Order: sequence, then C-alpha cells, then structure tokens
Amino acid sequence: DAKTTQPPSMDCAEGRAANLPCNHSTISGNEYVYWYRQIHSQGPQYIIHGLKNNETNEMASLIITEDRKSSTLILPHATLRDTAVYYCIVRASGGSNYKLTFGKGTLLTVNP
Amino acid sequence: SAVISQKPSRDICQRGTSLTIQCQVDSQVTMMFWYRQQPGQSLTLIATANQGSEATYESGFVIDKFPISRPNLTFSTLTVSNMSPEDSSIYLCSVAGGQGAWETQYFGPGTRLLVL
Repeated sequence: DAKTTQPPSMDCAEGRAANLPCNHSTISGNEYVYWYRQIHSQGPQYIIHGLKNNETNEMASLIITEDRKSSTLILPHATLRDTAVYYCIVRASGGSNYKLTFGKGTLLTVNP
Repeated sequence: SAVISQKPSRDICQRGTSLTIQCQVDSQVTMMFWYRQQPGQSLTLIATANQGSEATYESGFVIDKFPISRPNLTFSTLTVSNMSPEDSSIYLCSVAGGQGAWETQYFGPGTRLLVL
C-alpha cells in the first residue's frame, strides 16, 4: 500500500471548517483513500473513503485531487468533540486485502 | 456497520501472567483483526483471525506470544501470554466483510492493559 504524509498537528476554531491535508503521491489506480479518527483512548472511528471522486457523508467531505496524489478531509463546522487524531490511509481494494497500515496521523485540536 | 464489544475494557496484570481478550460482533463478518497501540504510538496490526484455521500473524508477532482463536463468524479472542511491562498497550479488535461484503474496517472500543 502507498504511504501517506500528514502534518503532525493542526488547530481549528470551533464552528469553522477544518481542512486536513494528506499526501499520497505513490498511490496506485486501485487504491482507495480512507480516513479514520481516534478520540483519546477510544477505538478508531471510520469517517469516509473514496477512490477518485469527491465524497460527502454526514460527518465530512473528502476532496481528492485529479491526479489522486493528495486529498483533503473537510469537517465543515468543527466542534470541540472533533478534537482527535485523524489518520489518512491508502488501501487497495478487492480480494482479501483488508489490511490497514496506520501512520502517525494529524492531531486536530478544536479550540473554543 | 457493526457493533463491536470487547472484554475486559481494561485490566492491570502482573508480569508472567496471561490475559485473554474477547471480541464480539453483533453480526457475521468475514474478517476479524487484532491491533496493538503502544503508549503514544499509532496502531500496529498483530494478526488476522481466520475462522476455522490458524491466524495469520504480521512480522514481529508470533503465535506463542499472541494465540488467537476464531471459533465462529462473530467472535474472536486474543491472549497476551507471559506478559511483561512492554506489553502494556491498548489492544483493539476490528472487523470487515459483513453483510454486503463491505470492505471498510470497523473498530471495537479497545482493551487497555497495564502490566506491572
């Protein structure tokens, strides 16, 4: 699976949009971009994933560049409860390859 | 998605002892995994729990230290054997391949282990 690069930390004001970047310049054509977050001392929570089109769900939006070498997770209206470590993971689809390789992620701190 | 529970949620153990952690899912799933998260670190995959056969271990993890059982499609156990303080971690169960064969992995709440 391709490696990802994320900033170690970011700050965001409550109520504002949080934009978390991720670089995955070696991504292959069959690899998806997954985002998880881990609130302190809890299990990771799935947020969203995508292949090449932008995706949106009730939690967030995922914007993937046309060349697929980078992506941005957008939390439209960040709250204090969104403070967490956010992990961007690239993973191939299909077959039995469910394995996730976690990097260090980005610690997002939402400030009042 | 799936609802995943783990038991115990936390424990404090003496070195040299063993602890078995249980993972229960509310629906049948194809894949179950066990991860470890050492203090201040990210998650590391220990093994894939295969139903009806031996688990598949990642590099650096061995069956004698982390025996795993998967008797059916909704349950798995991980044993941390002959524990030392270095085994103090959060142990997490995750699942994938539920009804509809979804590929997204969902995680349990974790088991916090402290070894003295």
